[in-house]
Amino acid sequence: SQTIHQWPATLVQPVGSPLSLECTVEGTSNPNLYWYRQAAGRGLQLLFYSVGIGQISSEVPQNLSASRPQDRQFILSSKKLLLSDSGFYLCAWSVSGAYNSPLHFGNGTRLTVT
Amino acid sequence: QKEVEQDPGPLSVPEGAIVSLNCTYSNSAFQYFMWYRQYSRKGPELLMYTYSSGNKEDGRFTAQVDKSSKYISLFIRDSQPSDSATYLCAMSDNNDMRFGAGTRLTVKP
Repeated sequence: SQTIHQWPATLVQPVGSPLSLECTVEGTSNPNLYWYRQAAGRGLQLLFYSVGIGQISSEVPQNLSASRPQDRQFILSSKKLLLSDSGFYLCAWSVSGAYNSPLHFGNGTRLTVT
Repeated sequence: QKEVEQDPGPLSVPEGAIVSLNCTYSNSAFQYFMWYRQYSRKGPELLMYTYSSGNKEDGRFTAQVDKSSKYISLFIRDSQPSDSATYLCAMSDNNDMRFGAGTRLTVKP
């Protein structure tokens, strides 16, 4: 069966520090991968998605970037964190090529920028 | 108007009650409809996945889609304290997925 791992679970970082959140998927090949941010009462905001290695699409201009160095690895990064980057970050995967396949989420990273 | 509207609650019911959770949407192109359950400090977990209008039942859960009214529902029968969570609706077409903000449900023993 497929599993998705996301770490760390919580992170407290000072303003201006770098960020690296990692996500890996097991049990499937060439998945579509996603990074979402969830704000209280505001639903899920899609940040980045990837349909293959090195292929990244950005949905929202921001202080963050994403990379996909391997088929089942997705990384969310920032060079200098802002206070507004605080939030709950979720990685998700879906089946590649399956039209409208549902998303499957990791357990998220709670990021607090101080 | 938001593309997907979902009452945030909170909704509190006694154990054993029937729970009705709802979402409305504006984009008539949506064809695929999902419900996710999210426990505190965890990621959303897929509960139900349906296509177009109609009902789908899975144990105590029933998902209902009315495309003519742009309205979807999730019913939980014989609710349990373990059902206490936030429930998010989601819908998509052409790989463009939209989520509701979630309804927080508490089932009291």
